[in-house]
Amino acid sequence: GAVVSQHPSWVICKSGTSVKIECRSLDFQATTMFWYRQFPKQSLMLMATSNEGSKATYEQGVEKDKFLINHASLTLSTLTVTSAHPEDSSFYICSANSRKETNYGYTFGSGTRLTVV
Amino acid sequence: AQTVTQSQPEMSVQEAETVTLSCTYDTSESDYYLFWYKQPPSRQMILVIRQEAYKQQNATENRFSVNFQKAAKSFSLKISDSQLGDAAMYFCAYLTSYGKLTFGQGTILTVHP
Repeated sequence: GAVVSQHPSWVICKSGTSVKIECRSLDFQATTMFWYRQFPKQSLMLMATSNEGSKATYEQGVEKDKFLINHASLTLSTLTVTSAHPEDSSFYICSANSRKETNYGYTFGSGTRLTVV
Repeated sequence: AQTVTQSQPEMSVQEAETVTLSCTYDTSESDYYLFWYKQPPSRQMILVIRQEAYKQQNATENRFSVNFQKAAKSFSLKISDSQLGDAAMYFCAYLTSYGKLTFGQGTILTVHP
C-alpha cells in the first residue's frame, strides 16, 4: 500500500532554534500534502495544505512565518518550525492522498514529536 | 463549515465482545465521504473503514462495520469480537469537497482481557 515516510520521529531543540520535519511519499506522487498538529489525547488540527510548486494554504490562526512549508517536489514536503518556543512542543503529522481521487482516503506519516526546551 | 462530533471521550469493552462508537456530523453537502481512523499508542494513523455517502449499503471490513444514517447524519462504528489490539484512539472524519479531512474529538477505546 501507499507509504508516507516522516522524519525525524522525535526531536528536541533549544528555544530560538529552527527545526525541519520532512514528509515523503515513497511509492506515489502527492501533489497535495497536509500538516497537522496534535496535542496529547486530542484530535488532529489541520495547520496547512501543502501544494507542490505553489505556496501553502494555512488555516486560520496558524502563523505562516513560524511554520514554513515547502513542497518542492511531488514526493517531498517539509515543515520548518522557526524560532521554536516551548509552546510549539507538540506532535506533528503529515498526510497525503495516495490516489487521484481524494475519496480513497489519506495515508499518514508516523508523526514527529517535537520538544522545545 | 462541516463539523464532526464524537460524544464518547472514552469507551471500554471486554475482549471478544462488541462495542459501538458514535459519530455525528453536520454538513450541507449531499455527496461526501466519511472515515474511521484508528490511532494506537504508536500514534500512527490507520484507516479502518470508509463510507461513500451516495451508497446506502453500510461499509464492512472484517470485524469492523458502520451504521450510516444519512438523514440523521450519524456514522457509528461497530467493532465485533474485540481484540486487545483494537485498543486505540478512534477518530471519525469527514472529507470536505475541498479535499480536507475534518476530525472528531476522538474516542479512547480500552479493551479488557
